[in-house]
Amino acid sequence: NAGVTQTPKFQVLKTGQSMTLQCAQDMNHEYMSWYRQDPGMGLRLIHYSVGAGITDQGEVPNGYNVSRSTTEDFPLRLLSAAPSQTSVYFCASRVNRGVGLSDEQYFGPGTRLTVT
Amino acid sequence: AQSVTQPDIHITVSEGASLELRCNYSYGATPYLFWYVQSPGQGLQLLLKYFSGDTLVQGIKGFEAEFKRSQSSFNLRKPSVHWSDAAEYFCAAGPRRGSTLGRLYFGRGTQLTVWP
Repeated sequence: NAGVTQTPKFQVLKTGQSMTLQCAQDMNHEYMSWYRQDPGMGLRLIHYSVGAGITDQGEVPNGYNVSRSTTEDFPLRLLSAAPSQTSVYFCASRVNRGVGLSDEQYFGPGTRLTVT
Repeated sequence: AQSVTQPDIHITVSEGASLELRCNYSYGATPYLFWYVQSPGQGLQLLLKYFSGDTLVQGIKGFEAEFKRSQSSFNLRKPSVHWSDAAEYFCAAGPRRGSTLGRLYFGRGTQLTVWP
């Protein structure tokens, strides 16, 4: 069980370039989400998905797109990178989307992105 | 609006001393509550969680947290800190129901430094 995996670990982009951050989980979790972490800001939710084919915006969605074609994968796309998107990005998954005890989110190791 | 506040940005303690990290939440109803730890360059690891029942929750690595409804608080404690506890600690809250079910709201984090 690999858990939540993210690639790449590090990435440097120039302003205006596009790229996709990959996230995969092998736990058959319905709920997946993307956060960004900035110093002194904690983690802020970018987008989330409650199942294949269903996505929604979080607190800071501008400049990012997502799709969820399979249960396992939840890629995050930056269409035109900006320096303000320099951050550490974490993907997370959760076992249930309904009310229940299994609300723990499992986090990937993160992707450190620098936009110059 | 939902929010989580960690009043202390940085705390320094001596090894062997006791530790308390503060967390307050602002929610319409009691949320699920979590404490995560992040070591430098790593992802987030769950220390403990509160769903219901006993308001004193035991976690991993000797940590515990106490939920106090009257104070809207969920403070993290450890009786004797080890140098390996130096890390950043995040408090998080998630709704039990409603349109934002499954989302986590994070505090800004408390950086813990441990003096030998």
